[in-house]
Amino acid sequence: GAVVSQHPSRVICKSGTSVKIECRSLDFQATTMFWYRQFPKQSLMLMATSNEGSKATYEQGVEKDKFLINHASLTLSTLTVTSAHPEDSSFYICSPRAGASLEQFFGPGTRLTVL
Amino acid sequence: AQSVTQPDIHITVSEGASLELRCNYSYGATPYLFWYVQSPGQGLQLLLKYFSGDTLVQGIKGFEAEFKRSQSSFNLRKPSVHWSDAAEYFCAVGAGGSSNTGKLIFGQGTTLQVKP
Repeated sequence: GAVVSQHPSRVICKSGTSVKIECRSLDFQATTMFWYRQFPKQSLMLMATSNEGSKATYEQGVEKDKFLINHASLTLSTLTVTSAHPEDSSFYICSPRAGASLEQFFGPGTRLTVL
Repeated sequence: AQSVTQPDIHITVSEGASLELRCNYSYGATPYLFWYVQSPGQGLQLLLKYFSGDTLVQGIKGFEAEFKRSQSSFNLRKPSVHWSDAAEYFCAVGAGGSSNTGKLIFGQGTTLQVKP
């Protein structure tokens, strides 16, 4: 299967700070990137979809100004949580996709804890 | 509305016993169906997927699932559970065919506990 990395794997920050999460597809070109969020003991919920070089499309209820997504290259996408608050504490998982491939790959996730 | 339901939040089975995890979906179009497993604090690992063809699909680690269109179900089975199978299991659905966008809708998850 494809290799997907996320960095950092864990991050703890103070309320009001911004946190950047990187997602890299190491052995294929990710034309599309999906970002999911998973609250404790809950399922994954899609936050946004981005295509390389285009603006991201956000799901209903997800603030685009708070969760900034950059997908400037085919191997790297970033999610920045701006002015993080404790309610943003969650497990963030990226899912890159190559073209119209039916394969769904997932990163190992980033655990964000906002104090 | 599109949705995935996993009726069982928590299941406990004895090691060596058979397992069936239920998944029901509501989807207007032809669905693509997936089962993933997640260990604590880890990402998702794909167990198996159904796109088309044979409705009984084989996956990794001895898992299989059967797509039943008439029942809108995609239940996951394993004939003999191992202690290492204890984890969280997620069923997911995506649009199939030409409507496929790569977006997935996940069920609530089923926690599997394995007794020695």
